[in-house]
Amino acid sequence: DQQVKQNSPSLSVQEGRISILNCDYTNSMFDYFLWYKKYPAEGPTFLISISSIKDKNEDGRFTVFLNKSAKHLSLHIVPSQPGDSAVYFCAATDNNAGNMLTFGGGTRLMVKP
Amino acid sequence: DTGVSQNPRHKITKRGQNVTFRCDPISEHNRLYWYRQTLGQGPEFLTYFQNEAQLEKSRLLSDRFSAERPKGSFSTLEIQRTEQGDSAMYLCASSFLSGNTIYFGEGSWLTVV
Repeated sequence: DQQVKQNSPSLSVQEGRISILNCDYTNSMFDYFLWYKKYPAEGPTFLISISSIKDKNEDGRFTVFLNKSAKHLSLHIVPSQPGDSAVYFCAATDNNAGNMLTFGGGTRLMVKP
Repeated sequence: DTGVSQNPRHKITKRGQNVTFRCDPISEHNRLYWYRQTLGQGPEFLTYFQNEAQLEKSRLLSDRFSAERPKGSFSTLEIQRTEQGDSAMYLCASSFLSGNTIYFGEGSWLTVV
């Protein structure tokens, strides 16, 4: 039972354009959501997060949107840069569950120069 | 470097041997987590500690897996009688007790031949 799903295994975007990565979840107890970026052979690097009491959080080129009714979140990267090419994971947690993260399967983003 | 530190970074072992991985969390982080990641999948939660107490271990993959955090600082993850299916990246992460953001180490690659 996959509680967090990233339905697009890969995404290709031109440099300077917007990248939109999507994530869906099924567990209504999740109340905190995070995005991580991962390069090959390295651990995940925290990017941005959002609490369920908000619907948007912005940090520089990265914005995360949360639609609780649809159980959907998305990560927008504007403008996309070649250095953004990596695998992006969304993760969710129930703060009553000790911050154990449930991850999606990841989306590989390729930003072409 | 004050991030999460893991060693060894790579380990090749023969089937049936025991292996141990070490994790040094970010100092003053109360919580320490172990995850496993296989190719093409998101990280999968294994276990976590709050200080020296192991609060969740039901997700450890089998009784061959065990983890310790004897003094509430570093942690070890041991896999006994390794099998080829244990080949994966083992990730350690840490966070503050009250923090929602979890920071990962670089990971330890295990290859069982």
